[in-house]
Amino acid sequence: DGGITQSPKYLFRKEGQNVTLSCEQNLNHDAMYWYRQDPGQGLRLIYYSQIVNDFQKGDIAEGYSVSREKKESFPLTVTSAQKNPTAFYLCASSLYRGGEKLFFGSGTQLSVL
Amino acid sequence: GEDVEQSLFLSVREGDSSVINCTYTDSSSTYLYWYKQEPGAGLQLLTYIFSNMDMKQDQRLTVLLNKKDKHLSLRIADTQTGDSAIYFCAEVTGGSYIPTFGRGTSLIVHP
Repeated sequence: DGGITQSPKYLFRKEGQNVTLSCEQNLNHDAMYWYRQDPGQGLRLIYYSQIVNDFQKGDIAEGYSVSREKKESFPLTVTSAQKNPTAFYLCASSLYRGGEKLFFGSGTQLSVL
Repeated sequence: GEDVEQSLFLSVREGDSSVINCTYTDSSSTYLYWYKQEPGAGLQLLTYIFSNMDMKQDQRLTVLLNKKDKHLSLRIADTQTGDSAIYFCAEVTGGSYIPTFGRGTSLIVHP
């Protein structure tokens, strides 16, 4: 079945540690996105990528980094510079740019120990 | 202010109709979407409407678009307990292909 897979479902970070959230899609979509969701605040865009080896910052990119070495993969690293990382992280993809519908993964809940 | 605004909560009785409202500010919006999020899960696309349409119906769902007032609504007929979720409105404008999401409306359906 085609879809978008995020792992792990739950992740814990110690202070000063970098952690990486995985996002893989087998939909052959060009564009991929990372959103952060906090209760009552909706979705905020962290990074997005239109093609392999290219990505742009979203509204809240500070303290995060991404890579897009393969079309199907778009991992997100939460660095120690992100002082308030506890949130629900959602990865999404779309076929092309230009108003296309987004397909979402099931999310990763990141918490700080 | 926010580009896309929604009220945070809506409570309805099972079997009644639910109407979730959304307002947006960008008159160049080309696509408007409704997504549903169940607890602990990602978002799934429910329906969408092009900006040149006024209404779209899909089974129990009816989307109404008032471009003059920049107002979008989602009506769910015969609301069931399984409809309890957070509903997000999103817009895509002509200048950017990145969707802008509202904060989401939590729909609570009680017996």
